[in-house]
Amino acid sequence: NAGVTQTPKFQVLKTGQSMTLQCAQDMNHNSMYWYRQDPGMGLRLIYYSASEGTTDKGEVPNGYNVSRLNKREFSLRLESAAPSQTSVYFCASSEDVRPFFGPGTRLTVL
Amino acid sequence: GEDVEQSLFLSVREGDSSVINCTYTDSSSTYLYWYKQEPGAGLQLLTYIFSNMDMKQDQRLTVLLNKKDKHLSLRIADTQTGDSAIYFCAAGGDSSYKLIFGSGTRLLVRP
Repeated sequence: NAGVTQTPKFQVLKTGQSMTLQCAQDMNHNSMYWYRQDPGMGLRLIYYSASEGTTDKGEVPNGYNVSRLNKREFSLRLESAAPSQTSVYFCASSEDVRPFFGPGTRLTVL
Repeated sequence: GEDVEQSLFLSVREGDSSVINCTYTDSSSTYLYWYKQEPGAGLQLLTYIFSNMDMKQDQRLTVLLNKKDKHLSLRIADTQTGDSAIYFCAAGGDSSYKLIFGSGTRLLVRP
């Protein structure tokens, strides 16, 4: 089992560009999450999906959209990237009390 | 809303015990977690504890929970250089298992 996978690993964007971060899990988990991690800070929840077909805002949703494509995949879209969105983005999934995290996508917006 | 706080830095000698502390504000937090993050890597779940427990032991790791003071600690026995990493405390309170994270404690293990 690969667990939680994320693509790409690294990305550099210019201000105003758009992109989609991909996340997939092979553990048949119902819930999936997107977090961002800024230097010297813990992770903050952007959006989550408690089950296929549902999505909800987390703590810092502004500037992002998500799609729960199916049970396996949960994507995060930046429509018009801003330097404040420079961060490391982590996807996670869970079925019970144990959320498992992917390796992260390091995004730089110039 | 929930707030989770940790000290920023801890330095110990190899072979000593490490104790990393965390406080949280929401008494309804049901699950409390410790994650480990090595440089450039994702988060590895080390252990978790339900709020109705006082202590949980897992090999070299001991988690203590004081619900009255909303204080959580992680003790690592016989700390090794491979334990050098950032340790995050996190709290979760509902069935969606959304987590609120502290800002992490950087543990440095000196040879």
